[in-house]
Amino acid sequence: QKEVEQDPGPLSVPEGAIVSLNCTYSNSAFQYFMWYRQYSRKGPELLMYTYSSGNKEDGRFTAQVDKSSKYISLFIRDSQPSDSATYLCAMSGFDSWGKLQFGAGTQVVVTP
Amino acid sequence: SQTIHQWPATLVQPVGSPLSLECTVEGTSNPNLYWYRQAAGRGLQLLFYSVGIGQISSEVPQNLSASRPQDRQFILSSKKLLLSDSGFYLCAWSRGTGLNTEAFFGQGTRLTVV
Repeated sequence: QKEVEQDPGPLSVPEGAIVSLNCTYSNSAFQYFMWYRQYSRKGPELLMYTYSSGNKEDGRFTAQVDKSSKYISLFIRDSQPSDSATYLCAMSGFDSWGKLQFGAGTQVVVTP
Repeated sequence: SQTIHQWPATLVQPVGSPLSLECTVEGTSNPNLYWYRQAAGRGLQLLFYSVGIGQISSEVPQNLSASRPQDRQFILSSKKLLLSDSGFYLCAWSRGTGLNTEAFFGQGTRLTVV
């Protein structure tokens, strides 16, 4: 069983819809949670970083963490065609020297 | 602000040839440095990480090695490439442990071994 599970998609949504992405994990030592956006043939770009259960909002993005269920989510409101990319969840434990465990990534396509 | 540079962007190498990929970070000191590999349609796999000059830890046994000759320079090498070494290689840096574990990535090197 992988430590981090993420549906690879693709997830296709119409422009303006809410994109809902999620990951589950099995390692209760994970304390820090990140979402990255990766455009084709580019390096991942950090979108959200959180280390506590609950919601964190940044513009159109909301990250949600439920440590009791080992489940994290990313919501993108008012989606745009420019949001079409692969979204990767990543997580690490305390004193892990920043080593990250990644999900496989979900490909998102926002159609005009 | 901090920036990370990684080169080359694309590389095609024959089987059995050597490899050297370089990564440098600007605007910070004592970063943790990482090499990840991403296979097509898959997540990132950590290959090496370094917490200081000359300090390298390997996460996955393989045909590759890493070195950190300077504080903000990280090099990925191979003496003889295999077909299975093809992939997208990403260098990353982070500030350290505890609450600063988020990593920032370079633009990657797409390596094709033929």
